Amino acid sequence: DSGVTQTPKHLITATGQRVTLRCSPRSGDLSVYWYQQSLDQGLQFLIQYYNGEERAKGNILERFSAQQFPDLHSELNLSSLELGDSALYFCASSVWGLAGTDTQYFGPGTRLTVL
Amino acid sequence: GENVEQHPSTLSVQEGDSAVIKCTYSDSASNYFPWYKQELGKRPQLIIDIRSNVGEKKDQRIAVTLNKTAKHFSLHITETQPEDSAVYFCAAIITGTASKLTFGTGTRLQVTL
Repeated sequence: DSGVTQTPKHLITATGQRVTLRCSPRSGDLSVYWYQQSLDQGLQFLIQYYNGEERAKGNILERFSAQQFPDLHSELNLSSLELGDSALYFCASSVWGLAGTDTQYFGPGTRLTVL
Repeated sequence: GENVEQHPSTLSVQEGDSAVIKCTYSDSASNYFPWYKQELGKRPQLIIDIRSNVGEKKDQRIAVTLNKTAKHFSLHITETQPEDSAVYFCAAIITGTASKLTFGTGTRLQVTL
């Protein structure tokens, strides 16, 4: 157990809908990352937050958004869902979020299925 | 941006043999290279990492080597065991204030009895 929690574990929804994925970082970690893992794309970095502020952006679609709240938990919002959005979504956390200085610990993931 | 290539995509070895997975990266500014192991349906877990000021690092049966000139790094697993069966991902981080991990495409390692 990495100490990072994610809810829900599974999510099944229909195309066009909107969902929210939630992540709680390890105690003491200030930085949260979101990754998407699909069969054909591997692990893709989406976005990083540090202490409530966006720090880095990866291949995140405009239909997706995220935020980190004052208690440091984070939410990833996915809207206008398409079949291709079906994937495992992982959250990770680290202490400082500085390149190469601290380890990222992954949560158990949320499996999203869009029908 | 950074691009990480990983080979092979699948690897089957007999128990007790060694396994080697290779990755190349494109951005010479990358200075931190972690390796993650992901078992089926589970989260990626860090197994070993190396920084650009080090050429090799070992942890029991696992070792990682880095060649900065050629921009490639490799994972070596010796005396493989069935529990080593998993998907292994290499990654690289571009230096700077943000930790944007770029992953390789993964290697599915199967250790057979």
